[in-house]
Amino acid sequence: QLQLQESGPGLVKPSETLSLTCTVSGGSISSSSHFWGWIRQPPGKGLEWIGNIFHSGSTYYNPSLRSRVTISADTSKNQFSLKLSSMTAADTAVYFCARASMIRGVISGVDPWGQGTLVTVSS
Amino acid sequence: DIVMTQSPLSLPVTPGEPASISCRSSQSLLQSDGYNYLSWYLHKPGQPPHLLIYLGSNRASGVPDRFSGSGSGTDFTLKISRVEAEDVGVYFCMQALQTPTFGGGTKVEIK
Repeated sequence: QLQLQESGPGLVKPSETLSLTCTVSGGSISSSSHFWGWIRQPPGKGLEWIGNIFHSGSTYYNPSLRSRVTISADTSKNQFSLKLSSMTAADTAVYFCARASMIRGVISGVDPWGQGTLVTVSS
Repeated sequence: DIVMTQSPLSLPVTPGEPASISCRSSQSLLQSDGYNYLSWYLHKPGQPPHLLIYLGSNRASGVPDRFSGSGSGTDFTLKISRVEAEDVGVYFCMQALQTPTFGGGTKVEIK
């Protein structure tokens, strides 16, 4: 059974860079049928797609975050990572990693998701 | 961005009774390939979200057949034929035709 688990700091200072890692077990991130994404949910607000990485290593970022986001993958560790720079209080959120299935390059569904990790931005 | 609007925000339900949630998109999600790029998820307390329905009307693996998805274009509905106590949580829809965006969620709770 495929499982994803986020790891990283729960507290980040303003202006710093957030680094999160998603460890995948029970399957390979090299699968050509899927890609791997990051999604976040600020407290009391809706979900926001951050971006994703394909098995080829190519990436897609939400235009609203593109200037601050980097997603990368380490196939040897079966992990993919998120870096979000210039953090502010508005970036406080639960961050989820997830696997997306696709048809003709478009997401058909997102499953499974990691448990999510709360990241708070505060000095 | 494609805006996803869900209703109702909160849905008190009686076990054994049906329930229905609406999701509307600001643009059609129907592609020329005939697929609607709309999926439904359930986020139970203390658990990660999980996929219920993909491509508008296809049940994900392991999802009970009391869950069904319907609709096309801009109007979609998730139906639970007979609600069970384990169905409580927040249901949300997601479009993937452009940068994925999500509905605001519908909290289902037992009366």
